[in-house]
Amino acid sequence: DGGITQSPKYLFRKEGQNVTLSCEQNLNHDAMYWYRQDPGQGLRLIYYSQIVNDFQKGDIAEGYSVSREKKESFPLTVTSAQKNPTAFYLCASMTGASGQPQHFGDGTRLSIL
Amino acid sequence: LAKTTQPISMDSYEGQEVNITCSHNNIATNDYITWYQQFPSQGPRFIIQGYKTKVTNEVASLFIPADRKSSTLSLPRVSLSDTAVYYCLVPYNFNKFYFGSGTKLNVKP
Repeated sequence: DGGITQSPKYLFRKEGQNVTLSCEQNLNHDAMYWYRQDPGQGLRLIYYSQIVNDFQKGDIAEGYSVSREKKESFPLTVTSAQKNPTAFYLCASMTGASGQPQHFGDGTRLSIL
Repeated sequence: LAKTTQPISMDSYEGQEVNITCSHNNIATNDYITWYQQFPSQGPRFIIQGYKTKVTNEVASLFIPADRKSSTLSLPRVSLSDTAVYYCLVPYNFNKFYFGSGTKLNVKP
């Protein structure tokens, strides 16, 4: 089945530690996105990538980094510079063509130890 | 920024039709309007998408007036399992999407 896989489902971070969230898609989509969702809030865009080896900052990129070395993979690193990382993180992908919807993974919940 | 505005919450009873309206005053000529459903601790799930007039699929209908400054998601005969948050999206700045707080629909027995 085609889809987006995020792992792990739950992740815990210690103070001063970097952690990496995985996002893999087998939909052959060009564009991939990372969102952050806080309780009772909508999704906010962290980073997005329209094509391999290229990515752009979203609205809340500070304290995060990404890479896009392969079309199917778009990992997100939450660095120690992100002082409030506790949130639900969602990855999405889409074809990049106008009028096509985004497809979402099931999310990773990150908490601070 | 093509922001959207939706009611924060709505209540309904099982078996009723629910209509959720979204305003998007700054929608561009070629932009589609997309609706998603989200359950707690899950990713948003695509419901329906449209450009103008009316679109219908097996779970919902989407009504878009001629000026396209608003759209209405219609859920026929809701059940308890339709209790969720519903988001209306339009793109801004080429395939970036603004997610507001959505509409929390509470279906009662």
